[in-house]
Amino acid sequence: GEDVEQSLFLSVREGDSSVINCTYTDSSSTYLYWYKQEPGAGLQLLTYIFSNMDMKQDQRLTVLLNKKDKHLSLRIADTQTGDSAIYFCAETNPSNTGKLIFGQGTTLQVKP
Amino acid sequence: DTEVTQTPKHLVMGMTNKKSLKCEQHMGHRAMYWYKQKAKKPPELMFVYSYEKLSINESVPSRFSPECPNSSLLNLHLHALQPEDSALYLCASSQREGNYGYTFGSGTRLTVV
Repeated sequence: GEDVEQSLFLSVREGDSSVINCTYTDSSSTYLYWYKQEPGAGLQLLTYIFSNMDMKQDQRLTVLLNKKDKHLSLRIADTQTGDSAIYFCAETNPSNTGKLIFGQGTTLQVKP
Repeated sequence: DTEVTQTPKHLVMGMTNKKSLKCEQHMGHRAMYWYKQKAKKPPELMFVYSYEKLSINESVPSRFSPECPNSSLLNLHLHALQPEDSALYLCASSQREGNYGYTFGSGTRLTVV
């Protein structure tokens, strides 16, 4: 079955880069996503990558996809205190229509 | 309009009450979803509607009853809930079922007393 795994916690200093990692098991995944959830809020789609890409950059965010190793990462450059949140990796594939499979979420703590 | 709007934002209900959660989007999305999220856990899929028809029910207890009156609205009717049903209920939509670009609402924080 499908499984998405993430480390649970990451702590960085303000101004440093953060790298959040995710591994998945379903080789049929078509889209892979990063969502951000601040305390008490809903999920905000940060970025997504299609499985035929290996990198996507959007301002401070860089997504790297290693399809061979089924490894996805999110790099946040110049991390700010406002980046403190839970980050969920998620994937979809055509055989699981309508289902976003989420990882457990990584809590990012940014220290001033 | 690029948002999914959920009401109410907070709801406290007794175990004998009947209440409804509402979700609305005007992006022309034809797939809508209900998710349940417990604290510090990932969202869990409950229901999927595609073109106003129920497509997926993830073995959700019958005390949760979804309804999709039209392509812009999704309701979740609640009856005889248990305290363990207390959670954040998230609505999402996408252009088509399984499509990329899911948009989530900010959720309804439900407390069952």
